[in-house]
Amino acid sequence: SYELTQPPSVSVSPGQTARITCSGDALPKKFGYWYQQKPGQAPVLVIYKDNERPSGIPERFSGSSSGTTVTLTISGVQAEDEAHYYCQSGDISDSYVLFGGGTKLTVL
Amino acid sequence: EAHLVQSGPEVKKPGESLKISCHGSGYNFTTYWIAWVRQMPGKGLEWMGIVYPGDSDTRYGPSFQGQVTISADKSIATAYLRWSSLKASDTAMYYCARHPGTSGFPAYFDSWGQGTLVTVSS
Repeated sequence: SYELTQPPSVSVSPGQTARITCSGDALPKKFGYWYQQKPGQAPVLVIYKDNERPSGIPERFSGSSSGTTVTLTISGVQAEDEAHYYCQSGDISDSYVLFGGGTKLTVL
Repeated sequence: EAHLVQSGPEVKKPGESLKISCHGSGYNFTTYWIAWVRQMPGKGLEWMGIVYPGDSDTRYGPSFQGQVTISADKSIATAYLRWSSLKASDTAMYYCARHPGTSGFPAYFDSWGQGTLVTVSS
């Protein structure tokens, strides 16, 4: 079955750049989306359609796509960015939506 | 601004039935897809399925087809997730979420409910 693959964890120091990748065979033809989830809270959309940022999301969050990989980049990471991040996309036939397994971002 | 409010936490026994709800406000509920997403304890997000309140068109994720029923009542701007016979493995947080577009496949979600914790235990 189709899967989206993320690294389980990424660690960065404050002020550095964090990059979280998500790989999937359908990503060359399907948009990628990213959500941030902090403990005890509902997910928040931070990037849509590969690289669009919803209103209210800080400019330090950006997204990109290349081949079978989409990437969430957080520039100048702040302590408040520590959270789980999930990528999401659709299958090639637009039958269902799936999430990646999630990446725990730790700010050292 | 779209606002989704879910029903409160539930504690049930295996074999019991359950229906949880998600009420939408601040937008035209009829014309935006509503999805349900499961998060088991300490685990990631799983897309269960989606409903279009305007005509009740419903789609299910491969793992959830036949396991749950998703529906909506547009007259009261509420979507539902129902189980006919709960299992201990249904213990999870369940979120509803809105797709912001009015055309195309409902692939992502910009507004989320606060979550409903369902605990199934004998």
